[in-house]
Amino acid sequence: GESVGLHLPTLSVQEGDNSIINCAYSNSASDYFIWYKQESGKGPQFIIDIRSNMDKRQGQRVTVLLNKTVKHLSLQIAATQPGDSAVYFCAEMGDTGTASKLTFGTGTRLQVTL
Amino acid sequence: EAQVTQNPRYLITVTGKKLTVTCSQNMNHEYMSWYRQDPGLGLRQIYYSMNVEVTDKGDVPEGYKVSRKEKRNFPLILESPSPNQTSLYFCASSLLSTGRGETQYFGPGTRLLVL
Repeated sequence: GESVGLHLPTLSVQEGDNSIINCAYSNSASDYFIWYKQESGKGPQFIIDIRSNMDKRQGQRVTVLLNKTVKHLSLQIAATQPGDSAVYFCAEMGDTGTASKLTFGTGTRLQVTL
Repeated sequence: EAQVTQNPRYLITVTGKKLTVTCSQNMNHEYMSWYRQDPGLGLRQIYYSMNVEVTDKGDVPEGYKVSRKEKRNFPLILESPSPNQTSLYFCASSLLSTGRGETQYFGPGTRLLVL
């Protein structure tokens, strides 16, 4: 079946370094992708999104890259800070024809070391 | 303050005892949804609602019911809870009915333990 997955369950980076979190998707009909951040004890929080007609989108310290050829999505965090420690989820939304339906990956835990 | 609220935040119950988890949003969003989060499985959609009196099944609807009698509220009902429904539950809402181009705002979560 269709799925959204992540390459690495845990990523450890040093404060100040750049972080790259990867996500693979298998639904070729997916046309909208979102990255969420979930801190301990809280609900997921929107970080950045990208549509399939784009291959790159930048936010504040974050960049999302989309490679439709290999169905790969990545989240880059510049100058990683301790406050970036969290679980990061990618989610995809395909053309269901009816309503929005987010399919989430299993998540990557980002650990920022001092 | 724009927010999605859930109650209760924590609940311990026994098998078969009916329970309801409430969800309310103050953003006048048409779209609301329930997810459960389990280790290694990420978030999976249970039910969603595009507007008042319009609900539909998500990926894992078995054992759950929902209702949408008012725009702001979307309660999740477990008629006869079982231990495999022990999980962390999130309610979410978004502005557009299709959710496309809009983000979903998540509530703080309800941790449920069914004994």
